[in-house]
Amino acid sequence: AQSVTQLGSHVSVSEGALVLLRCNYSSSVPPYLFWYVQYPNQGLQLLLKYTTGATLVKGINGFEAEFKKSETSFHLTKPSAHMSDAAEYFCAVSESGGANSKLTFGKGITLSVRP
Amino acid sequence: GAGVSQSPSNKVTEKGKDVELRCDPISGHTALYWYRQSLGQGLEFLIYFQGNSAPDKSGLPSDRFSAERTGGSVSTLTIQRTQQEDSAVYLCASSLSQGISNQPQHFGDGTRLSIL
Repeated sequence: AQSVTQLGSHVSVSEGALVLLRCNYSSSVPPYLFWYVQYPNQGLQLLLKYTTGATLVKGINGFEAEFKKSETSFHLTKPSAHMSDAAEYFCAVSESGGANSKLTFGKGITLSVRP
Repeated sequence: GAGVSQSPSNKVTEKGKDVELRCDPISGHTALYWYRQSLGQGLEFLIYFQGNSAPDKSGLPSDRFSAERTGGSVSTLTIQRTQQEDSAVYLCASSLSQGISNQPQHFGDGTRLSIL
């Protein structure tokens, strides 16, 4: 069984500051990992994904994440926060090579950006 | 191109009524998923369709929930005898193919269901 842990429910940063959103996973098989963003009253938008290969993954809007197998982590970062980054962020895992790619999500983290 | 389309965007109904939620996936996407997003439970998988294969219903919370996918395209999620705990946002997603788990899922904007 897979699981995702996102510690804390809310992170607040100043505009221009570093954004760090933490994600730890548990999986019995090599995982595929995803970060999604959700703006109010909208669906989920894919930020980035890790499947195989390079462990540092770059996504849209200046976000990146690093897969660390030894730490079972996939933390999301952005060097400089922008007001438009305020949203809810979800980390998710699916089974690699599985016939069913259903996603298991973390609880989500709300990011606030202060002017 | 067109994304995943869900209708209605909002639905308010009385406890005990049946509801149908519709999902139009991205054209050419063979895999379709339903998820539920609620305050207490976060995002939960409900059901998965892939081509003509039998759907994976392992996430459906009770036998009041059912879903079908006609012609490998449009899907309908039906909730019978709705209960207040069914209030949630129901999200549909589609992706390109089965067995290649790195294909990302594209989500619709969801149907917000409120049970009075």
